[in-house]
Amino acid sequence: DTGVSQDPRHKITKRGQNVTFRCDPISEHNRLYWYRQTLGQGPEFLTYFQNEAQLEKSRLLSDRFSAERPKGSFSTLEIQRTEQGDSAMYLCASALEGSPYNEQFFGPGTRLTVL
Amino acid sequence: SQQGEEDPQALSIQEGENATMNCSYKTSINNLQWYRQNSGRGLVHLILIRSNEREKHSGRLRVTLDTSKKSSSLLITASRAADTASYFCASISGTYKYIFGTGTRLKVLA
Repeated sequence: DTGVSQDPRHKITKRGQNVTFRCDPISEHNRLYWYRQTLGQGPEFLTYFQNEAQLEKSRLLSDRFSAERPKGSFSTLEIQRTEQGDSAMYLCASALEGSPYNEQFFGPGTRLTVL
Repeated sequence: SQQGEEDPQALSIQEGENATMNCSYKTSINNLQWYRQNSGRGLVHLILIRSNEREKHSGRLRVTLDTSKKSSSLLITASRAADTASYFCASISGTYKYIFGTGTRLKVLA
C-alpha cells in the first residue's frame, strides 16, 4: 500500500501523559499536514511542513504540541501533558507541490482518547 | 473559528435523487476543494475548482463557485447508497493552508 499511513490507529492515555504519533506520507510528496478532527466537525489545521521545514503552526497548537519532520519524510506529532480536551482524531495528509489538482491525500488517522 | 460553514448540516434523500450541499468560506481563496469522508475512514479528494472558474463537472459531481458571495455548492446527481458520507469543502488561501468547513452528513436511503 503506497498511501499515507499513521501509527498508532488508536491511543488511550491518562491525563498528564505524553503521546507521540507517527505519519508516513506518500514517498514523493514534499508537503505534509497535521489536522485535528473532533466529532461532527471538519478537520482543523494544526501545522504544515514543506520538506523538513515547518512553515506554519496554528494558534490552536499550544506549546504542549510539537511536530517534526527530520528528514523530510515521516513526521511525528507529540503532545505533552495530555488533557481531556486533546481527545480527537489526528489526521495526517501529504501532497505534492505543483500537482495539477493540489489535492491532499489523507491517512486513516490516529484516534486519541485521554481519560 | 477559522472554519467555513456548510449547509445543511445533515441531509437524507432517496437513492436516485440529487443532493445539493453548500459551503461558505471567510477569506479570499486560490481554489476550493471538496472532500468525502466515509464513516471511520479518511478523507478522499473529490474535485477542485479554481478561483477563476464558476462551474466544474466530474462524473456525477457538479461544483459551482461564487467568489463574490464566498460560497460554493456541490451537487451529486442520481445519488447512490454508496454516496452516504460526510462532505467537506476546503478553501485554500495562499499556497498551502487548507480551511475545512464543518461538513454535511449525507444519507442516501436505498
